[in-house]
Amino acid sequence: DVVMTQSPLSLPVTLGQPASISCRSSQSLVYSDGNTYLSWFQQRPGQSPRRLIYKVSNRDSGVPDRFSGSASGTDFTLKISRVEAEDVGVYYCMQGTHWPYTFGQGTNLEIK
Amino acid sequence: EVQLVESGGGLVKTGGSLRLSCAASGFTFRNAWMAWVRQAPGKGLEWEWVGRIRSKTDGGATDYAAPVKDRFTISRDDLENTLYLQMNSLKTEDTAVYYCATGALGTWGQGTLVIVSS
Repeated sequence: DVVMTQSPLSLPVTLGQPASISCRSSQSLVYSDGNTYLSWFQQRPGQSPRRLIYKVSNRDSGVPDRFSGSASGTDFTLKISRVEAEDVGVYYCMQGTHWPYTFGQGTNLEIK
Repeated sequence: EVQLVESGGGLVKTGGSLRLSCAASGFTFRNAWMAWVRQAPGKGLEWEWVGRIRSKTDGGATDYAAPVKDRFTISRDDLENTLYLQMNSLKTEDTAVYYCATGALGTWGQGTLVIVSS
């Protein structure tokens, strides 16, 4: 199975400051159709996850534009340009290229 | 509004069975690939795909993760807009909150807790 390794696992951030979460895959996530199926999810305390980003850099409807996704080879990054209080929660990356699809361990974002 | 509502979770003994349901609304269910994923409380809140089912127009086939293959069965009723997860030969390690979701996990249900106890 493809291993997704996230870092850091804990991310204390000051309100208004930027935040960055990394995710590395153990193999290429480029599918035969040329797409890279890497998604990012946010899980707020006590809630179901919400997808933020799909195919590396596409924001889901309603996701603030302070969230952005990028890639360099097998390294993927979720950036929050200015952290707000509502961003507290656990963030997960997930690869949807190789079955079984797999998640990263999660990054717990908290306000410093 | 797109909505997924799971039901059927509960406490079951090892070796037992349980069927989860997921009622879908707000989108054309019959055209959607659907998925079950789970989050185990005892594993650092790690996520694990259980399996997925294609739409009937895409063949309707299913895929399962190795830990549940041959024990769990995903099915769908496109007339009732409902997704199912039949779980047999349950093990303690199947204890988790089970979520149904649209195929690419763009929409999630609220989850239903399954506890398997010896």
